[in-house]
Amino acid sequence: EAEVAQSPRYKITEKSQAVAFWCDPISGHATLYWYRQILGQGPELLVQFQDESVVDDSQLPKDRFSAERLKGVDSTLKIQPAELGDSAMYLCASEGIELRGEQFFGPGTRLTVL
Amino acid sequence: GENVEQHPSTLSVQEGDSAVIKCTYSDSASNYFPWYKQELGKGPQLIIDIRSNVGEKKDQRIAVTLNKTAKHFSLHITETQPEDSAVYFCAASSGGTSYGKLTFGQGTILTVHP
Repeated sequence: EAEVAQSPRYKITEKSQAVAFWCDPISGHATLYWYRQILGQGPELLVQFQDESVVDDSQLPKDRFSAERLKGVDSTLKIQPAELGDSAMYLCASEGIELRGEQFFGPGTRLTVL
Repeated sequence: GENVEQHPSTLSVQEGDSAVIKCTYSDSASNYFPWYKQELGKGPQLIIDIRSNVGEKKDQRIAVTLNKTAKHFSLHITETQPEDSAVYFCAASSGGTSYGKLTFGQGTILTVHP
């Protein structure tokens, strides 16, 4: 069964350091999402890609966060510099054309900022 | 933007009982309503969804109902089993230019006691 892959699964860093997360969506899925999930809350959208283009990044803190999907396949989310409040689970999801709206999530990257 | 409220925040049932989780949404343009199950340390898993042209959908022990007039939808789990214990999230798609953007509820921690 096709799955969304994410790495690393866990990341511990000190504040002011740079961190990066990687996502490989289900093959053929043109739409890719990055969500942030704070413990005890639902996921919140950070950025949405359609192929290599950003569709929605209105909730992305652009002073420190950046995201790219250069070839329209895998994607990288970066935080520089990391702050204590960035500690959260970072989830990647992908969506195919066949069943619009159905998003499939990866296992996430648990970030802890010390 | 869309706002999704989910109740209850915690739900404890005995094995074999039914469980019901309710959500309300604010944006009348929302047309897609998925439910996700999230186990500890894992990404959300899509368990069932419903679109605005359908009032009810059932998949074995799980059913979802939608009342577009009242802007609420519910998840029903019958004959609960201990493995149903997890956090459940409802979500709504706001449509428009960001078709797939999901707004999540705060989650319900379901505990099924053997």
